[in-house]
Amino acid sequence: GAVVSQHPSRVICKSGTSVKIECRSLDFQATTMFWYRQFPKKSLMLMATSNEGSKATYEQGVEKDKFLINHASLTLSTLTVTSAHPEDSSFYICSARDYRDNMNTEAFFGQGTRLTVV
Amino acid sequence: AQSVTQLGSHVSVSEGALVLLRCNYSSSVPPYLFWYVQYPNQGLQLLLKYTTGATLVKGINGFEAEFKKSETSFHLTKPSAHMSDAAEYFCAVRIPMFSGGYNKLIFGAGTRLAVHP
Repeated sequence: GAVVSQHPSRVICKSGTSVKIECRSLDFQATTMFWYRQFPKKSLMLMATSNEGSKATYEQGVEKDKFLINHASLTLSTLTVTSAHPEDSSFYICSARDYRDNMNTEAFFGQGTRLTVV
Repeated sequence: AQSVTQLGSHVSVSEGALVLLRCNYSSSVPPYLFWYVQYPNQGLQLLLKYTTGATLVKGINGFEAEFKKSETSFHLTKPSAHMSDAAEYFCAVRIPMFSGGYNKLIFGAGTRLAVHP
């Protein structure tokens, strides 16, 4: 299957700093990528849909200025958590859809990033 | 709007026993249905999916699921559990684009499967 690489897998940062998480589709091109947040022992919450070359679409309740998303190429989307606070600590997961999947039948997931803000 | 309900947040089975994880959905049009598995501190791996065609779908690691429209269900089964099956399982639904849907995957709350010797 297609591979989505997410980096870093773990990051610890100080409160008030910014952290960038990368999501790369390694063997396919992705016009659309998705960013999820997962709280402990909870399901995945979609934060935003990232479209290559255009602005991301954020879900209700997600702060656009807090969680900056950039999708500058067909293989890379980034999520930047700005001015991080301890409550931003979470597991962040990206997924990507192969642009050839016209019927939108599948999304491939990265391995996730564990963010801890201290 | 579509939704997904997974009955049982925790399921415990003995090694070698049948695995049954329940998933019911709500949708005004026939949806695409997915089962994903998540191991600790990892992303999601697709087990199987139903889009069209045969309603009994076989996936990886011996899992299968059957789409039952009349029951709006998509339960996941495996005849014989292995210790390595212990993980979190998520059912998800998406409305096909040609039915007016869009990209969003809606996930159930998840079911944690424990397998004991």
